[in-house]
Amino acid sequence: EPEVTQTPSHQVTQMGQEVILRCVPISNHLYFYWYRQILGQKVEFLVSFYNNEISEKSEIFDDQFSVERPDGSNFTLKIRSTKLEDSAMYFCASSGPGNIRYNEQFFGPGTRLTVL
Amino acid sequence: DAKTTQPPSMDCAEGRAANLPCNHSTISGNEYVYWYRQIHSQGPQYIIHGLKNNETNEMASLIITEDRKSSTLILPHATLRDTAVYYCIVRVVGYNQGGKLIFGQGTELSVKP
Repeated sequence: EPEVTQTPSHQVTQMGQEVILRCVPISNHLYFYWYRQILGQKVEFLVSFYNNEISEKSEIFDDQFSVERPDGSNFTLKIRSTKLEDSAMYFCASSGPGNIRYNEQFFGPGTRLTVL
Repeated sequence: DAKTTQPPSMDCAEGRAANLPCNHSTISGNEYVYWYRQIHSQGPQYIIHGLKNNETNEMASLIITEDRKSSTLILPHATLRDTAVYYCIVRVVGYNQGGKLIFGQGTELSVKP
């Protein structure tokens, strides 16, 4: 069964450093998402991406965040200058293709980001 | 904010049916009810969804009241591996729409031997 994969599984970085979290969505999907979950809290939507552009973003997704689909398979989340409060589990999800009505989202296993 | 209300926790004996309620009294006519679950800190997993009819798949059944203001997810024979946080989410879907999921706190289901 196809699945969403994410790398790395755990990323440790120093405050102020840039990090790139990588995701490989399911191959025929067209919609891509990033969510995050701070330890002990609920899952929060960050951004959705369709047709090579951001379709929606939350208040959390400020100028420090960016997303990119650099090739036909990867979907990345970049945090330019990490803060302590960016420590969280980051989940990538995908859905589609576009002619499927119900669009259930398939989630990856997550990347745990720890900012020191 | 999430548009659903769920009990924070529930227990269920292994092998018995787990019935997880969800209140969505402000649901609008074009919104579907979705259920996801999250085991430990894994990525959320899709379970089932419905609009107004009851639905069943290999994982669970979804019972939606006639007025659509509440629903119940039923795991017919709960196992220890069903221990997870279960999220009830309402969202609009349609062709060529990839709408976000808004998670609430969910119900933490503990299946006990």
